[in-house]
Amino acid sequence: DTAVSQTPKYLVTQMGNDKSIKCEQNLGHDTMYWYKQDSKKFLKIMFSYNNKELIINETVPNRFSPKSPDKAHLNLHINSLELGDSAVYFCASSPRGGLPVSNEQFFGPGTRLTVL
Amino acid sequence: DAKTTQPPSMDCAEGRAANLPCNHSTISGNEYVYWYRQIHSQGPQYIIHGLKNNETNEMASLIITEDRKSSTLILPHATLRDTAVYYCIVRGHGSGNTGKLIFGQGTTLQVKP
Repeated sequence: DTAVSQTPKYLVTQMGNDKSIKCEQNLGHDTMYWYKQDSKKFLKIMFSYNNKELIINETVPNRFSPKSPDKAHLNLHINSLELGDSAVYFCASSPRGGLPVSNEQFFGPGTRLTVL
Repeated sequence: DAKTTQPPSMDCAEGRAANLPCNHSTISGNEYVYWYRQIHSQGPQYIIHGLKNNETNEMASLIITEDRKSSTLILPHATLRDTAVYYCIVRGHGSGNTGKLIFGQGTTLQVKP
C-alpha cells in the first residue's frame, strides 16, 4: 500500500528518444509535484498540478510535458532526451498546494533516468 | 521564500542527541520552518515544521529562537538509520503560495556506532 509510487524505478535510454515516467498517489491528495535531483544532488521543483490544473512551471524546457489525467496521477513525458536530462526524478503529493494551511509533501521513491 | 544556511556536514554518536542548526535570518512573519531528510537513494521525507513555538513529534523536536532567525532540529537518540541529508526549508503559507519546496544543500548527518 505504497503512498506515492513511480514507474519505472530505473530508465536507461539513448539520446533523442522520447520517454515517460508515471506517478500515482493513493492518499487522496489534491496537489502533485515533479522534482529533479541532478548529479550534484540538488533537488529542484519542476512542475506542480492542483486538481489536474498546472500551478507551477519552473522554466523547464518544453521538451518536458506533465500530464495529469486525474488528481491521483501525474505523468512526465520527455521528448528528444538529452545527456543533461540524466537525473533522479521524484514525484510528490500534498493535501493542498496553495491554501493557507500547512501541509507536508510525500515523496515517491524516485526514477533514475540515464541518457546515453 | 527566505534563504537558509546549514553546515554541510555533521557527525553524531549513535544513541546521542543530534542537533542540526539552521540560519534563516531573512525569514518573514508568515513563513514557516520545515525540515525534511533524504536517506540515501530514497525520496525526501517530512520530519517536522513550526512557525514560532517549539514543536515535537515522534521523530524529532524543533527549537525556533525567539527572533525566529535560526532554528535547531533535534533527534533525541540518533540511530544509524538517521544517517541522511537534512534540509531546512522556509516557506510561506497563504493563498499566494504554491506549495513548492526550495531545497538547499542541506546537512549530511553521519551517525557513527
